Amino acid sequence: SQKIEQNSEALNIQEGKTATLTCNYTNYSPAYLQWYRQDPGRGPVFLLLIRENEKEKRKERLKVTFDTTLKQSLFHITASQPADSATYLCALARGSARQLTFGSGTQLTVLP
Amino acid sequence: DVKVTQSSRYLVKRTGEKVFLECVQDMDHENMFWYRQDPGLGLRLIYFSYDVKMKEKGDIPEGYSVSREKKERFSLILESASTNQTSMYLCASTAPGEGLETQYFGPGTRLLVL
Repeated sequence: SQKIEQNSEALNIQEGKTATLTCNYTNYSPAYLQWYRQDPGRGPVFLLLIRENEKEKRKERLKVTFDTTLKQSLFHITASQPADSATYLCALARGSARQLTFGSGTQLTVLP
Repeated sequence: DVKVTQSSRYLVKRTGEKVFLECVQDMDHENMFWYRQDPGLGLRLIYFSYDVKMKEKGDIPEGYSVSREKKERFSLILESASTNQTSMYLCASTAPGEGLETQYFGPGTRLLVL
């Protein structure tokens, strides 16, 4: 069956460092992968999308890589700030309506 | 600005009650989704709809039904609420077509079934 794993439930890092989050999947051949941010008590907010033919995507301090051979995506936040503290979710699309399958998320805490 | 709203932020119901959760989007999106989110399990897809009056089961449809009578509105119905349906419920919408894959989420409804 299809499976998505985010390998850390929680990650603590020091302010200014680079946070790296991992998303692994099995039994998928996704056309694209997305990353979302979720704050407590709120719905997820879209951050980045990377397609299967793209190796890397950047947006300000965010960078996503996508390795379809390893079936893995890495999500980086450079120069992290306490305001980056949140849960980050990776998601893969499937089906005609592009319904998403989500990983369980990584809770990132950036310590001042 | 894109907006998805859900009828309630918090809801407390009794076992056996019929529960309606409503979602409205103002972006003229064709596709709408209902997820539930539980600690350690992430978001799981309950039902989705790709057009008015069309619905498809997601990964965990048991105990739920949906209704989409108008394009902007997608309702989730718990026919007879049970305690294992205590959860955070999230609605989302998106448009078809490349470049439009972002799912826009509502703020969520936290449902407690006693």
